[in-house]
Amino acid sequence: EVQLVQSGAEVKKPGESLKISCKGSGYSFTSYWIGWVRQMPGKGLEWMGIIYPGDSDTRYSPSFQGQVTISADKSISTAYLQWSSLKASDTAMYYCARRDSSGYLGYWGQGTLVTVSS
Amino acid sequence: EIVLTQSPATLSLSPGERATLSCRASQSVSSYLAWYQQKPGQAPRLLIYDASNRATGIPARFSGSGSGTDFTLTISSLEPEDFAVYYCQQRSNWPPTFGPGTKVDIK
Repeated sequence: EVQLVQSGAEVKKPGESLKISCKGSGYSFTSYWIGWVRQMPGKGLEWMGIIYPGDSDTRYSPSFQGQVTISADKSISTAYLQWSSLKASDTAMYYCARRDSSGYLGYWGQGTLVTVSS
Repeated sequence: EIVLTQSPATLSLSPGERATLSCRASQSVSSYLAWYQQKPGQAPRLLIYDASNRATGIPARFSGSGSGTDFTLTISSLEPEDFAVYYCQQRSNWPPTFGPGTKVDIK
């Protein structure tokens, strides 16, 4: 069974750094792209970027380029989303999802809630 | 960036009724459009891909149509579990983009 399990909720202060994770299981982790999607409170879905764990090829949506870093460690089947300096506006639910052979996000993690508040 | 517009923003219907949701793209996306369902407190779920193909395990009451700039998601007869928010998403051009969503709620 394909599963994406994300790390737990985080509460951080502005200016702090953060790295959240997404561990894949039940499939060949290196063979499928993993995407990250943001959902701000009460709002819609925003595509952040995507990584191919097989060779770490990474692409960012222009809105998120330079704001976050996406990475992966294929040895432990885990993708990451990180911030070097959080802002209050980074408060959101973050989902990882696997891009299937259909080309769309067919399997999703449960989400990681990030709260940034002083 | 391709902008997707969804209408209506909210659709109030009763169980058993037919739901028709619209998604319009700012430029042609060919058939590279998907629909997702999101219930409160849950991650989105892929329903339809490439405009008209149901994802694995999706009931036949969900159907998608359209190409180019105009797309429709139809739920033929609403079940209680179908009341949710529905998003369209294009993958024709980078970056992929989502529409703002249509909330289907109980009348």
